[in-house]
Amino acid sequence: SQKIEQNSEALNIQEGKTATLTCNYTNYSPAYLQWYRQDPGRGPVFLLLIRENEKEKRKERLKVTFDTTLKQSLFHVTASQPADSATYLCALPPGSARQLTFGSGTQLTVLP
Amino acid sequence: NAGVTQTPKFQVLKTGQSMTLQCAQDMNHEYMSWYRQDPGMGLRLIHYSVGAGITDQGEVPNGYNVSRSTTEDFPLRLLSAAPSQTSVYFCASSSTGRSSGANVLTFGAGSRLTVL
Repeated sequence: SQKIEQNSEALNIQEGKTATLTCNYTNYSPAYLQWYRQDPGRGPVFLLLIRENEKEKRKERLKVTFDTTLKQSLFHVTASQPADSATYLCALPPGSARQLTFGSGTQLTVLP
Repeated sequence: NAGVTQTPKFQVLKTGQSMTLQCAQDMNHEYMSWYRQDPGMGLRLIHYSVGAGITDQGEVPNGYNVSRSTTEDFPLRLLSAAPSQTSVYFCASSSTGRSSGANVLTFGAGSRLTVL
């Protein structure tokens, strides 16, 4: 069966360090993968999209990698700040359909 | 430009009652969808629509109905509420609709439903 796993439900790091979050998937061949941020009591907000033919994508202090051989995406937050504390969700389309399937998320806490 | 608006934000129901969660978007998005979010289970797709007059089931459709009579509105109906439907519900939309391309979602703020 198809599965998306975001390793570790919670990740605590010190301010200024780089946080690395993992998204692994099985039995998918996605054309792209997305990352969203969700703050408590709010809906998810889109951050980055990376396509299957792209190895890496950057947006300000965020970096996403996509390894279709390993079936894994890594999400990096460099020079982390307490304001980066949130839950981060990965999402990808199952098969040829356009609806998105989400992982259960990783809660990142950046300690001052 | 309000984006995706969900009402109500909070609702308490008794088992067996019915209700409708409203969702409206003002971005002229073709694609709209409903997810529920439960602790440890992430977001699960309930129903979705790729355009007015077209709806389809997602991963967990049982106990829910939808309709899409206009591009702007996509209400979610609970026919006979059950405690298992206690959850936070999110409506989301995107511009892809029936066209090809990545489905980047804009979410509403959520509706927290408790069924007693």
